[in-house]
Amino acid sequence: SQQGEEDPQALSIQEGENATMNCSYKTSINNLQWYRQNSGRGLVHLILIRSNEREKHSGRLRVTLDTSKKSSSLLITASRAADTASYFCATALSFSGNTGKLIFGQGTTLQVKP
Amino acid sequence: DVKVTQSSRYLVKRTGEKVFLECVQDMDHENMFWYRQDPGLGLRLIYFSYDVKMKEKGDIPEGYSVSREKKERFSLILESASTNQTSMYLCASSSHRIGADGTYEQYFGPGTRLTVT
Repeated sequence: SQQGEEDPQALSIQEGENATMNCSYKTSINNLQWYRQNSGRGLVHLILIRSNEREKHSGRLRVTLDTSKKSSSLLITASRAADTASYFCATALSFSGNTGKLIFGQGTTLQVKP
Repeated sequence: DVKVTQSSRYLVKRTGEKVFLECVQDMDHENMFWYRQDPGLGLRLIYFSYDVKMKEKGDIPEGYSVSREKKERFSLILESASTNQTSMYLCASSSHRIGADGTYEQYFGPGTRLTVT
């Protein structure tokens, strides 16, 4: 199976609710990143958390990382209809050197209903 | 602002044609990547390059080749297009440099939706 696996595959919530997405991985990482993709477009970087960090915030986003469980979660608080998109986690493996190679998960599709 | 551009948003080609997908970035990034994205399969790495004239195979290089003659440009070539190469193709770039804002953040182009008939 892939390095990054995301759960759930799809999530539907009402505007104002919180959305939580999870990502699990298998091998040692340098950092873990979250990206967003609006329908039919390229990905946009949201937030990066390093392997020695446990939690990070950016606006309405909160990311946690548990290296002992090899898992991360992305929390979007007070969701808006504009948050409707697919969300991907990506891991930078410890041995990737300067290549910048990332391993992407399959993504979680989030729908926020107005 | 980093900008990654791809030569076409939509492309329709016939089976057997040679197809060129071009990607250009304007931030002097060392690393460039080509992915394909298919429903239920996420992003799969085809090829990447960490320097001019350097290339490395990704997870699914079969049927593809790449060219990086200049730092800002990374081309994906389908030597003989087949229907199973119908997909969304995404180009990305990133810097070697480890900065305060993040390590290996990738910047993506808008994607090229290729249909092979």
